[in-house]
Amino acid sequence: EPEVTQTPSHQVTQMGQEVILRCVPISNHLYFYWYRQILGQKVEFLVSFYNNEISEKSEIFDDQFSVERPDGSNFTLKIRSTKLEDSAMYFCATTLGSYGYTFGSGTRLTVV
Amino acid sequence: DAKTTQPTSMDCAEGRAANLPCNHSTISGNEYVYWYRQIHSQGPQYIIHGLKNNETNEMASLIITEDRKSSTLILPHATLRDTAVYYCIVRALYDKFYFGSGTKLNVKP
Repeated sequence: EPEVTQTPSHQVTQMGQEVILRCVPISNHLYFYWYRQILGQKVEFLVSFYNNEISEKSEIFDDQFSVERPDGSNFTLKIRSTKLEDSAMYFCATTLGSYGYTFGSGTRLTVV
Repeated sequence: DAKTTQPTSMDCAEGRAANLPCNHSTISGNEYVYWYRQIHSQGPQYIIHGLKNNETNEMASLIITEDRKSSTLILPHATLRDTAVYYCIVRALYDKFYFGSGTKLNVKP
């Protein structure tokens, strides 16, 4: 069964550093998403991406965040200057279009 | 905000059917009912979805009431590996998924 692959599985970074989280979507999927889950809290929507541009973003997705598909295959989430409160699980999700998402196994980001 | 209401937690004996209810009284005509689950801190896993007819796949069955205001996810023979948080989500096609708090299902030996 096709999978969404996320790397790294765990990232530890110092406050103020930049991090890039990577996702390899299922090959024929067209819509891409990032979600995050702070420990013990709900899964929260961050951003959706289609046709090489952001289609929707949440209040969480401020100027510190950016997304791109640098090479047409990977889908990345960049956090420019990490804060302690950015510590969370980050999930990439992709879909062909109208039906359900396939989620990756996540990247655990720890900001120290 | 979540448009669904689910119990916070439920217990089920291993080997028995687990019936997880969900209320979605404000569902719109173009919205589907989806079920996902999350085991530990893994990525949410798709289980099943439906519009108005009952649906069944290899994982579960979905029963939607005729007025579509509520639904039930049925895991026919729960195992310990089915212990997870189960999310009921209503969503129109192409909309994003909004995750509420879900139901924590505890399958006990």
